[in-house]
Amino acid sequence: AQTVTQSQPEMSVQEAETVTLSCTYDTSESDYYLFWYKQPPSRQMILVIRQEAYKQQNATENRFSVNFQKAAKSFSLKISDSQLGDAAMYFCAFPANTGNQFYFGTGTSLTVIP
Amino acid sequence: ETGVTQSPTHLIKTRGQQVTLRCSSQSGHNTVSWYQQALGQGPQFIFQYYREEENGRGNFPPRFSGLQFPNYSSELNVNALELDDSALYLCASSSAIRLAATDTQYFGPGTRLTVL
Repeated sequence: AQTVTQSQPEMSVQEAETVTLSCTYDTSESDYYLFWYKQPPSRQMILVIRQEAYKQQNATENRFSVNFQKAAKSFSLKISDSQLGDAAMYFCAFPANTGNQFYFGTGTSLTVIP
Repeated sequence: ETGVTQSPTHLIKTRGQQVTLRCSSQSGHNTVSWYQQALGQGPQFIFQYYREEENGRGNFPPRFSGLQFPNYSSELNVNALELDDSALYLCASSSAIRLAATDTQYFGPGTRLTVL
């Protein structure tokens, strides 16, 4: 069965500093995408970044980047120059074998300290 | 903004009642998925519809049912509500049938359902 694990229920970071959120997963798929979503108090789930599993290069979107270790099935999110607006729940997600649904982790609550 | 809307924003029902939640997908998105997000948890997949047909289902009982319409709107119906059905219900639309191959899902803001 597919699983996704976020082992950090809560994290905090000083404004302008860097923080890394961890995610591990298990799948038998060989070609898939991995996603990080952000859910602020407004509840809207917003895509932060995605990684294509067959690409060795780690994805980067402005201040957000991933460290993708396919063999270890690890997909961590690094947020550089943290801003107050980054405070939110962050969910790691990946598609199931059937390709018709996503599995989400339990989330990491990120607090940004001014 | 993702272009996906949901209504109502909040809803309060009593145990045993029935509820209908609505979602309007992005134009051109033929796939819609529904998720249940309990407080403090990640979203759990309920089911997916593609071109008005159910195309995948998670571990939810038959009293959770759905409809998708040609105008990119969809519904989630829950019968015989239970206290544990209290949650945030999210819909997400996509342009591809197989989410593993698609770029992304676009989520609506959710409907907060409270069952008393």
